[in-house]
Amino acid sequence: DTGVSQNPRHKITKRGQNVTFRCDPISEHNRLYWYRQTLGQGPEFLTYFQNEAQLEKSRLLSDRFSAERPKGSFSTLEIQRTEQGDSAMYLCASSPRSGGADTQYFGPGTRLTVL
Amino acid sequence: GQNIDQPTEMTATEGAIVQINCTYQTSGFNGLFWYQQHAGEAPTFLSYNVLDGLEEKGRFSSFLSRSKGYSYLLLKELQMKDSASYLCAVRDIPGTASKLTFGTGTRLQVTL
Repeated sequence: DTGVSQNPRHKITKRGQNVTFRCDPISEHNRLYWYRQTLGQGPEFLTYFQNEAQLEKSRLLSDRFSAERPKGSFSTLEIQRTEQGDSAMYLCASSPRSGGADTQYFGPGTRLTVL
Repeated sequence: GQNIDQPTEMTATEGAIVQINCTYQTSGFNGLFWYQQHAGEAPTFLSYNVLDGLEEKGRFSSFLSRSKGYSYLLLKELQMKDSASYLCAVRDIPGTASKLTFGTGTRLQVTL
């Protein structure tokens, strides 16, 4: 078990370009979450999948953002027409949906810089 | 709405004990988590409380009082590597996808 992985780790793009990030959760986890974190703040929830179903989206997730988890394994987060305000660390987490804590384990994140 | 408050920064000496407080006002409650985050890295899970009382894990302990909307993280025998941000997060009622609402984090600096 290698934990949650995310690619790329860093992405620099120009305003207006589209970017896509990938998250591979811990293999037996069926819940997957995306968060966004800016400097000096805690992570903010963006969206959540249980298996392949996207069950909740935050109001933070504008129509330029889309997330998929087509086979219930890895997930992608796409940002279209990026803006400078999208610059942040994008964190993915997964949890096992077993009883009790259902602890979320985070990946290393993708740091996005929009120039 | 959700509101989680933590001190922004704290400083403590190597070998000492430090207590990081967290107060919360949320629409529901289904558990409180503490995470550690080193600069530029992902949050790592430290502890989970859902019932009132103290949970101990080695040098780290976490306390919860649901009636007061209050938790603290206690770090003993501080080491330099404990310098990091400590995030308090609340999970509200089931049915909201177990999403976590985080505080802004407490940046702890451990000095010699």
